[in-house]
This record gives sequence, C-alpha cells and structure tokens, in this order.
Amino acid sequence: GDSVTQMEGPVTLSEEAFLTINCTYTATGYPSLFWYVQYPGEGLQLLLKATKADDKGSNKGFEATYRKETTSFHLEKGSVQVSDSAVYFCALSQGNQGGKLIFGQGTELSVKP
Amino acid sequence: EAQVTQNPRYLITVTGKKLTVTCSQNMNHEYMSWYRQDPGLGLRQIYYSMNVEVTDKGDVPEGYKVSRKEKRNFPLILESPSPNQTSLYFCASSPGEDTQYFGPGTRLTVL
Repeated sequence: GDSVTQMEGPVTLSEEAFLTINCTYTATGYPSLFWYVQYPGEGLQLLLKATKADDKGSNKGFEATYRKETTSFHLEKGSVQVSDSAVYFCALSQGNQGGKLIFGQGTELSVKP
Repeated sequence: EAQVTQNPRYLITVTGKKLTVTCSQNMNHEYMSWYRQDPGLGLRQIYYSMNVEVTDKGDVPEGYKVSRKEKRNFPLILESPSPNQTSLYFCASSPGEDTQYFGPGTRLTVL
C-alpha cells in the first residue's frame, strides 16, 4: 500500500541555519503531496502542497518540490528561526476515502537561538 | 473565524466506560475525518464522512463508531474504550478531496 517515510528526528539547528527534512513516498499513480506543521499543543496546519510532478510548493520561506523520478518531496528553508520549532509531517493523498491523508511519522525540529 | 473545534481537549477515563468526543466545523465542508496520532506512526485515519448520513471506515476503525446527522458535526464514539485507544485524536474537515483542516486535538487516556 501507499506509504510515506521521513527522516528521523529530532533535528536540532541553530537560528539562521539551513534546513532540509527528507521525505520519500511509495504510491501508485500521481498523488498530491503535503507538508503539515504541528506547533506544541496545537493541531496540524497545512504548510505547503504540490499536486503534480515538478510542482514547487512554498510558504513562509519553506519550499518543497514534487520529484516523481525520485519519489521525494523534501522540505527546505534557507534560514530557520526559533519560531519554526515544531513537528513537521509529510503526507500524500490519492483523493479517495474522503481525501484521506497518509502521513509519515513526523520530524521534530528544534531551533536554538 | 473558520475553524474545527473538538471537545473535550483532554480526557482520562477507565476501561469500558462509553465516551464521545465531539467535532464541529463552521466552514460548510462536505468531508470530515477522524485520525489518531501515535508516536512513531504519524496520523492514521479512523473514519471518514463524505456527506450527511454517509460514513465509512478508514484504516484503523476497530473499537470506534461515528455518526453524521448534521453537516457541521461528526462525533467519535468509543463504546467500550480500552487502554490501546489511549492516543491523541484529531478531527479534520475539507471542502473536497484535497487540503484538510484540523482541529486542536483531544488527548485521551484510558486506564
């Protein structure tokens, strides 16, 4: 079945460092890909998405490109801030089961001043 | 403000005592889902609904029930909770088979 694999955390970075969180997926067809962010004590918020190969999603300085050839959707940010500390989830959707999202296990990011 | 609300936010209960977690959305979304979040497993879909009176099983439905009598509400029912249902639960809604909007979560502990 479909699945998503993320790099394990926690990831600890200094402020202004470059961030990469790896995400690869296994799926049939052409799923939509998402990054969600969960701040402490809160629900998940959509960070960015891409719906077809070579699309780049971007938001708040974060970017991810849908790479069909490598089945990847890596999250990047050029300069992280303390406020980016959160858990990041990569997910895919085949558009079935009410838009069901299949999530990776999540990657915790901690940014130190 | 557009939002998904859940109640209660925290609940500690004992094995076998029936409970209901409520979920309500004010965005007039057709689709609603319940997920549970467990360490190392991400979120997994429990049940979903694509319209009033239309519900179906997700990936981990055992031990749960849902109902969709009104478009805005989608309660999750645990008829006889067990310790393996201790988890963090999220309700979500969406206008279609795309971006989902999540509630703040309900942390359930079953003793």
